[in-house]
Amino acid sequence: QKEVEQNSGPLSVPEGAIASLNCTYSDRGSQSFFWYRQYSGKSPELIMSIYSNGDKEDGRFTAQLNKASQYVSLLIRDSQPSDSATYLCAVNFFSGSARQLTFGSGTQLTVLP
Amino acid sequence: NAGVMQNPRHLVRRRGQEARLRCSPMKGHSHVYWYRQLPEEGLKFMVYLQKENIIDESGMPKERFSAEFPKEGPSILRIQQVVRGDSAAYFCASSRDREAFFGQGTRLTVV
Repeated sequence: QKEVEQNSGPLSVPEGAIASLNCTYSDRGSQSFFWYRQYSGKSPELIMSIYSNGDKEDGRFTAQLNKASQYVSLLIRDSQPSDSATYLCAVNFFSGSARQLTFGSGTQLTVLP
Repeated sequence: NAGVMQNPRHLVRRRGQEARLRCSPMKGHSHVYWYRQLPEEGLKFMVYLQKENIIDESGMPKERFSAEFPKEGPSILRIQQVVRGDSAAYFCASSRDREAFFGQGTRLTVV
């Protein structure tokens, strides 16, 4: 059973602070890692993807991947109230022509003005 | 380039009726995933399809649920004889390679 684990939160940070979201996964064969943002009542929106060890930065977002520790994280710098949402970690496992895109249960983030 | 299109956005069915949910992937995408989400819960994988093939249906309930992705036309998730417990948001996502993009979802309410 391939699993993706996230702290459910809720996580509260003040406006302008750094929000740190964490995720671990069970299958060492995992190859692709994603962060989605989901506002209440809306569909998930892809915000970051990362495929190799290290950091990947896109604007205020930085994704970090450590395959040896089976750990992926998302940092949000200069957090804004509009960042308040549930953040979903997703991991893609490949097996031949098949692939599984498995999601964690999400971390609810609240950015306080 | 239009995004993933799902319809209807909202669907109300009486117990025992059939629900048919449609998903048109983004242009050039040949992979489709279906997920179910209950209020305040995470996304639960249901089925993964490629054109004309069901690749992984390990998350699909054994009875009443079926999915298809024909050579032409949208992917269809069909729920027969719906029960109140089927009320949820159903999302599909499409992918060409690694990144998957979601549609707006279908909110199914069974009354």
